[in-house]
Amino acid sequence: DAGITQSPRHKVTETGTPVTLRCHQTENHRYMYWYRQDPGHGLRLIHYSYGVKDTDKGEVSDGYSVSRSKTEDFLLTLESATSSQTSVYFCAISESGQEQYFGPGTRLTVT
Amino acid sequence: GENVEQHPSTLSVQEGDSAVIKCTYSDSASNYFPWYKQELGKRPQLIIDIRSNVGEKKDQRIAVTLNKTAKHFSLHITETQPEDSAVYFCAASRGNFNKFYFGSGTKLNVKP
Repeated sequence: DAGITQSPRHKVTETGTPVTLRCHQTENHRYMYWYRQDPGHGLRLIHYSYGVKDTDKGEVSDGYSVSRSKTEDFLLTLESATSSQTSVYFCAISESGQEQYFGPGTRLTVT
Repeated sequence: GENVEQHPSTLSVQEGDSAVIKCTYSDSASNYFPWYKQELGKRPQLIIDIRSNVGEKKDQRIAVTLNKTAKHFSLHITETQPEDSAVYFCAASRGNFNKFYFGSGTKLNVKP
């Protein structure tokens, strides 16, 4: 597996609290992505980054923000978590913007 | 935006048989089509991909075909084995700087 880690791997939080998920890579790849995976929906893109401080929205970006201050780190923030954001979150990296390699995932439960 | 539809949602085959999973896409500008395999509780892993300037690509027991005119592409697995059991996802993208759109997945069960 490519050098991608996600933290935390599991988190339970309450509705209305802020949550930050971290994706860290050691591959020096330019592109980084955040997806959520829910039954029946496959993987849906939340936000992605094509360089330090360069980010763009995906198809399900409402309620999420991201930051990338260093090549190796891509942070996903839920400003005020809701139950609809209970999901498995995957980070992915890509050198070319095509082949993507996924992290191990973070299981988030919002109660 | 792009819309990727994947069929079937579940597929059960006998070991040694072939399996075919099909995806359609809506954006004619999409030019990169990867396939991912996800085992239970694991991360998706890229198994094969195809670009729009190629009609077919093979890698051992797996192959992908692309029909740009009809806007569909398919994954073919021959001589299936129990370890092929997993969920398979297709995706489409316009390439660099662009978003990826995934199908909803196909759960393949290979019966020994």
